[in-house]
Amino acid sequence: EVQLVQSGAEVKKPGESLKISCKGSGYSFTSYWIGWVRQMPGKGLEWMGIIYPGDSDTRYSPSFQGQVTISADKSISTAYLQWSSLKASDTAMYYCARRMIVGATWMDAFDIWGQGTMVTVSS
Amino acid sequence: DIQMTQSPSTLSASVGDRVTITCRASQSISSWLAWYQQKPGKAPKLLIYKASSLESGVPSRFSGSGSGTEFTLTISSLQPDDFATYYCQQYNSYWGWTFGQGTKVEIK
Repeated sequence: EVQLVQSGAEVKKPGESLKISCKGSGYSFTSYWIGWVRQMPGKGLEWMGIIYPGDSDTRYSPSFQGQVTISADKSISTAYLQWSSLKASDTAMYYCARRMIVGATWMDAFDIWGQGTMVTVSS
Repeated sequence: DIQMTQSPSTLSASVGDRVTITCRASQSISSWLAWYQQKPGKAPKLLIYKASSLESGVPSRFSGSGSGTEFTLTISSLQPDDFATYYCQQYNSYWGWTFGQGTKVEIK
């Protein structure tokens, strides 16, 4: 079964660092882009950035550039999203998702999603 | 960047109704438009990609259309399982991905 499994919920204080993970299985992890999406409480979806684990090519949304770091360890089929100094406004659900490919053409969509990691930042 | 505007924000409908949700892009995105369904506490689920292609396993009552800047998601006969929030999402090779603000489909 193709799936993305994310790490568990986190409760952190402002200023702390954090790295959450997304482990892929059931497919060639290095051959698909993995994106990260934020959903603040009661709000919509926001694309944060994306990484190609095969060569670590990474793109960021202008809104998140410099605020987070996306990385991947292809040896363990895992992508990461990390913060060096959390803020209360980082409180949200974070999803990883796999970019869809049809034949040899990358699509606009994300077809496989992780279950989400809830990050709560509070003093 | 490219902005996506969905309408309406909320929609009240009954089982069996035909439902249409519209998504407008601030500039042409060709057919790079996807639709997702999200239920409370769950991850989004892909319904439609490339404006009109139905994702495998998604019921045929869902359909998508449009190109350029205007797109629609239609549910031909609303079922109890369809009450959820729907998001459009565009892709542009320069700006990346952007989601619409969402449309909540409620029971009338």
